Amino acid sequence: ETGVTQTPRHLVMGMTNKKSLKCEQHLGHNAMYWYKQSAKKPLELMFVYNFKEQTENNSVPSRFSPECPNSSHLFLHLHTLQPEDSALYLCASSQDRDTDYGYTFGSGTRLTVV
Amino acid sequence: DAKTTQPPSMDCAEGRAANLPCNHSTISGNEYVYWYRQIHSQGPQYIIHGLKNNETNEMASLIITEDRKSSTLILPHATLRDTAVYYCIVRRNTNAGKSTFGDGTTLTVKP
Repeated sequence: ETGVTQTPRHLVMGMTNKKSLKCEQHLGHNAMYWYKQSAKKPLELMFVYNFKEQTENNSVPSRFSPECPNSSHLFLHLHTLQPEDSALYLCASSQDRDTDYGYTFGSGTRLTVV
Repeated sequence: DAKTTQPPSMDCAEGRAANLPCNHSTISGNEYVYWYRQIHSQGPQYIIHGLKNNETNEMASLIITEDRKSSTLILPHATLRDTAVYYCIVRRNTNAGKSTFGDGTTLTVKP
């Protein structure tokens, strides 16, 4: 265990469904991130939260909606997704956005949109 | 942040040292070199980072050239569990959210 827990590990959803991905960290970190990893592509940064405030939105479509109620929890709300949104969604945390140290990643949620 | 170039794949014999190169010729003075690895179907794992001095921890050593335009990650005694994709990233420590992961190097450790 890395200290960053993502649930569920696997998710299959239809294009009209609404679902949420959850990330929780017990490391006392203040920055949290969502990344997307599609097959054969590099990791893509989606959102950054620093002390619960969103500081980065990397031109992500509005069908992805993040929420950070506190520094320990991060959600990604999904609605009306497309099949091309199928990917591994990774959550990460760090001490803060300007940390000198590395990120700690969760194991990811494997999302399949049918 | 500076772009990095890594070979797409490398093989290494079990028990031998694995030396993974990374070119970052456009690195600027305040940018750090970070290494992560990603074992299949897991999230990336932080390995090591450095600015200009060589660094060593329990996982690996990082050798940065004097001009800082390239670096090498060394796994001193590779095991089968070290088979993974290794990412070299260059970033300023005041722009953590902009860490850009490239394609990395797929290291295969063979018995």
